Amino acid sequence: QVQLQESGPGLVNPSETLSLTCTVSGGSISDNRFYWGCIRQSPGKGLEWIGSINYRGTTNYKPSLESRATIFVDTPRNRFSVTLRSVTAADTAVYYCVRGHFGSETYYPPGEWGPGTLVTVSS
Amino acid sequence: EIVMTQSPATLSVSPGERATLSCRASQSVGSRLGWYQQKPGQPPRLLIYDASTRATGIQDRFSGSGSGTEFTLTISSLQSEDFAVYYCQQYNDWRTFGQGTTVEIK
Repeated sequence: QVQLQESGPGLVNPSETLSLTCTVSGGSISDNRFYWGCIRQSPGKGLEWIGSINYRGTTNYKPSLESRATIFVDTPRNRFSVTLRSVTAADTAVYYCVRGHFGSETYYPPGEWGPGTLVTVSS
Repeated sequence: EIVMTQSPATLSVSPGERATLSCRASQSVGSRLGWYQQKPGQPPRLLIYDASTRATGIQDRFSGSGSGTEFTLTISSLQSEDFAVYYCQQYNDWRTFGQGTTVEIK
């Protein structure tokens, strides 16, 4: 059974970069049946997709975050990372790493989630 | 961006009763609609995808229906463990969530 575990900074200063690492165990990050992604949750905005990457390395991002977000895979370490640049207090949220089925160019809703990590943007 | 609107915001139901939750899309999403359950301190759990297909291990008291812009999640006989927040999410055009429906004990 695949498990995902987020590791993040906990606290980030405004205008700096948030970096989150998602470590995958019990499954290969190269598995061509799946995509990997990041979803965040905050009281103000609810659940919000940040972006995803599929086995071909194709990324897609929420349009309003595309200029600030990057997702990339570290295959030898079986993990992926998410960065969000120029953060503000509005980026404070619980961040989840997720895995979902990818087929026929469809990103199905993720069936596997990490436990989540709270990231606070504050000086 | 497709806006997903869930109703009601809160649903009060007695154990053993049926619960019916609604989700409306601001434009057609076909059948590209999923439902999740979330309990406090936990990540969401996928219940339904493609509007009506139960995810692996999901009990058959959970059922989904609808297409286009109107969708429903039905819990046929509420168990104590079903009291939680439920979210819908479309994946036809990017991916957006509804704001959630809280199912509470009446």
